[in-house]
Amino acid sequence: EDKVVQSPLSLVVHEGDTVTLNCSYEVTNFRSLLWYKQEKKAPTFLFMLTSSGIEKKSGRLSSILDKKELFSILNITATQTGDSAVYLCAVANSGGSNYKLTFGKGTLLTVNP
Amino acid sequence: DARVTQTPRHKVTEMGQEVTMRCQPILGHNTVFWYRQTMMQGLELLAYFRNRAPLDDSGMPKDRFSAEMPDATLATLKIQPSEPRDSAVYFCASGGGGGTEAFFGQGTRLTVV
Repeated sequence: EDKVVQSPLSLVVHEGDTVTLNCSYEVTNFRSLLWYKQEKKAPTFLFMLTSSGIEKKSGRLSSILDKKELFSILNITATQTGDSAVYLCAVANSGGSNYKLTFGKGTLLTVNP
Repeated sequence: DARVTQTPRHKVTEMGQEVTMRCQPILGHNTVFWYRQTMMQGLELLAYFRNRAPLDDSGMPKDRFSAEMPDATLATLKIQPSEPRDSAVYFCASGGGGGTEAFFGQGTRLTVV
């Protein structure tokens, strides 16, 4: 059974701090790893990673994948209160052209002013 | 503005009643996922379809849940009879437009009393 474990489960920081969120996985036929941000409503897509060692970056957020050690990190620099959310990690396995997404339980990030 | 549309957004029903949730995936996406989200379990995959064919519904309680795609623009998730433990937010997501990222609808918040 595919498994995705995120840590920490929750984190409280002050504005301006840098945070690192972790995601480890066990999956058969790994295809990609995805990060989502969930505020009050639906998860919104952040990044998709398929190759080890290549950083994806969007503004203050960046992410990298290590396929040998089976983990990914999501970094947020100069945090703002608007970054407060649950961050979800998911892995896509691949069975031919089909794929399935398995999610971790998420990291709840609270950024205080 | 391409988005996944789910209806209803909220549903309160009595135990034993039938509940039907609907999802319109993003045009051109050929993969549709149904997830259930609770505080305890996080996002659980219930079922998913590719090109309208069900690929995996092992996450669903078969005796009461059913998922179908009558056409490419409509996916349905039905619970009959509903039970209080079914109370959760049900998300539909679509993908397969080239990558493995999935885009979520706003969810249906179901309360069974």
